[in-house]
Amino acid sequence: DAKTTQPPSMDCAEGRAANLPCNHSTISGNEYVYWYRQIHSQGPQYIIHGLKNNETNEMASLIITEDRKSSTLILPHATLRDTAVYYCIVRAQSKLSFGAGTTVTVRA
Amino acid sequence: NAGVTQTPKFQVLKTGQSMTLQCAQDMNHEYMSWYRQDPGMGLRLIHYSVGAGITDQGEVPNGYNVSRSTTEDFPLRLLSAAPSQTSVYFCASSYDGFYGYTFGSGTRLTVV
Repeated sequence: DAKTTQPPSMDCAEGRAANLPCNHSTISGNEYVYWYRQIHSQGPQYIIHGLKNNETNEMASLIITEDRKSSTLILPHATLRDTAVYYCIVRAQSKLSFGAGTTVTVRA
Repeated sequence: NAGVTQTPKFQVLKTGQSMTLQCAQDMNHEYMSWYRQDPGMGLRLIHYSVGAGITDQGEVPNGYNVSRSTTEDFPLRLLSAAPSQTSVYFCASSYDGFYGYTFGSGTRLTVV
């Protein structure tokens, strides 16, 4: 699986959009970009995934650059409950490997 | 629809004891995985399965065994518990490995 690089931490104001970057310059053509988050001591939660087109669901939007070497997860209106560790993962099928992620703190 | 159910939620073992962590899913998912998460660390893959009767090793398989006799169940066996296995263990499942994985709530294991 391709390696990803995320900032270790970031702050966000409640009600504002949170933009979480992820670099994956060695991504292969058949690898998807996945985002998960882990709220303190709970099991990780799937957020969204995409191959090359931008994706949106009820939780977030995923913007993937045209060359697919980086992506951005957008939480449109961050709330205090969005405080969590966010993981960007690039993979094909089967194994899901987690890196260190970005600790996002939403402040009132 | 219970999702992914892990039992027990908490367990204390003595060094050298063996035990089985249970994981069951009712979503007819083919793919299942076991992870461990040490304090302040990310998740590390122990073992995974792509269907009944098929298992493979992840990043940290030593000291653990798995089997997958049914689609629903994926138990993790600790053969001889060591303090280094003190961790939170998460089980996860996915329909086909492409869709998002659903995680259980974890088993918090302490080995003394």
